Amino acid sequence: DAKTTQPPSMDCAEGRAANLPCNHSTISGNEYVYWYRQIHSQGPQYIIHGLKNNETNEMASLIITEDRKSSTLILPHATLRDTAVYYCIVRPPYSGAGSYQLTFGKGTKLSVIP
Amino acid sequence: DGGITQSPKYLFRKEGQNVTLSCEQNLNHDAMYWYRQDPGQGLRLIYYSQIVNDFQKGDIAEGYSVSREKKESFPLTVTSAQKNPTAFYLCASSTLGQGVHEQYFGPGTRLTVT
Repeated sequence: DAKTTQPPSMDCAEGRAANLPCNHSTISGNEYVYWYRQIHSQGPQYIIHGLKNNETNEMASLIITEDRKSSTLILPHATLRDTAVYYCIVRPPYSGAGSYQLTFGKGTKLSVIP
Repeated sequence: DGGITQSPKYLFRKEGQNVTLSCEQNLNHDAMYWYRQDPGQGLRLIYYSQIVNDFQKGDIAEGYSVSREKKESFPLTVTSAQKNPTAFYLCASSTLGQGVHEQYFGPGTRLTVT
């Protein structure tokens, strides 16, 4: 799986957009970018995933650069409840054999400030 | 309400005792996973199972055992052979089949061994 690099921490003012970057310069053509977040002392929560095109759901937007070497997760109007560690993970689609575990690094600790 | 339950949320044990952590899902997912998380670190895979009565070791299986007698249940036993058992344990599940599969996580069990 391609390796990802994320800043260890970021701050964001409440109500503003939070833009969380992820570098995955060694990503392969069939690998997806996933984002999860983990609120303190809880299990991780799936946010969004994408391959090439930008994606949006009720939680966030995912912007993937044209060369796919980096991506940005956008929380459009951050609230205090968005304070969490955000993980960017790159993984190929399941091939039908072997494990499909996700490799979580240390992520980015986002602090939303009132 | 569909989801994954883990119990208990906090568990305390004396060194040398085996302890079993419960994980149940009602999502009808084929695959289940156990991860371990240490403070300030990402998640590491302990065991995973893709079908009843079958399971595979993950990256850090030593000192742990699992069973998968029912599709809904995947208990983890932390044995006395595990050298550093104090950690946050997370259970997850997902569908299988070729393609992209998000993982759903339980709330976790925080185990403290003294």
